[in-house]
Amino acid sequence: ETGVTQTPRHLVMGMTNKKSLKCEQHLGHNAMYWYKQSAKKPLELMFVYSLEERVENNSVPSRFSPECPNSSHLFLHLHTLQPEDSALYLCASSQGWAGGDTEAFFGQGTRLTVV
Amino acid sequence: RKEVEQDPGPFNVPEGATVAFNCTYSNSASQSFFWYRQDCRKEPKLLMSVYSSGNEDGRFTAQLNRASQYISLLIRDSKLSDSATYLCVVNIGQAGTALIFGKGTTLSVSS
Repeated sequence: ETGVTQTPRHLVMGMTNKKSLKCEQHLGHNAMYWYKQSAKKPLELMFVYSLEERVENNSVPSRFSPECPNSSHLFLHLHTLQPEDSALYLCASSQGWAGGDTEAFFGQGTRLTVV
Repeated sequence: RKEVEQDPGPFNVPEGATVAFNCTYSNSASQSFFWYRQDCRKEPKLLMSVYSSGNEDGRFTAQLNRASQYISLLIRDSKLSDSATYLCVVNIGQAGTALIFGKGTTLSVSS
């Protein structure tokens, strides 16, 4: 079982719906990330949290809203999404990032389909 | 210019073959370098870090050329289980940054 758990694994939502993706890490890491993986594209960094503070917002549309209530949990709140937002959303965590070997551990992802 | 560029692939090789993947990165401030592996419909997982002096892990050898901003991965004696997508990854290493991924190169090893 991975140290990073994401729920739900699959989600189908209409463009007017509001839903949330959840990520939980049991590794004691201090940084958490949301990535988006679309077909034929590299993983795109969306948000970075360190010690529960957002330190990076990579020009993500406001229809995606992250929340990090504590160092173990990360949410991605979704509202009024577009069909092109359909993708695999991956959560990751790491212990720090300043140089060195900072391995990121990924959850299994949420496969999101917007209809 | 893309931040991390990789060979487009796919690479289709027979078992036992040696295969090499190349990667270039655009940010000269990049400090850490990795190869991740992603199996079909699974999450990426760290395969190995890449060091300036080059490093080896069993059948896998990684090389880094900072002057050319180039990273490589060599797989010797390919196994069926090596079939996956290999992601080249860099990190600027500054607070507030995260791993930047290439598109990945798909390897298919056949018997």
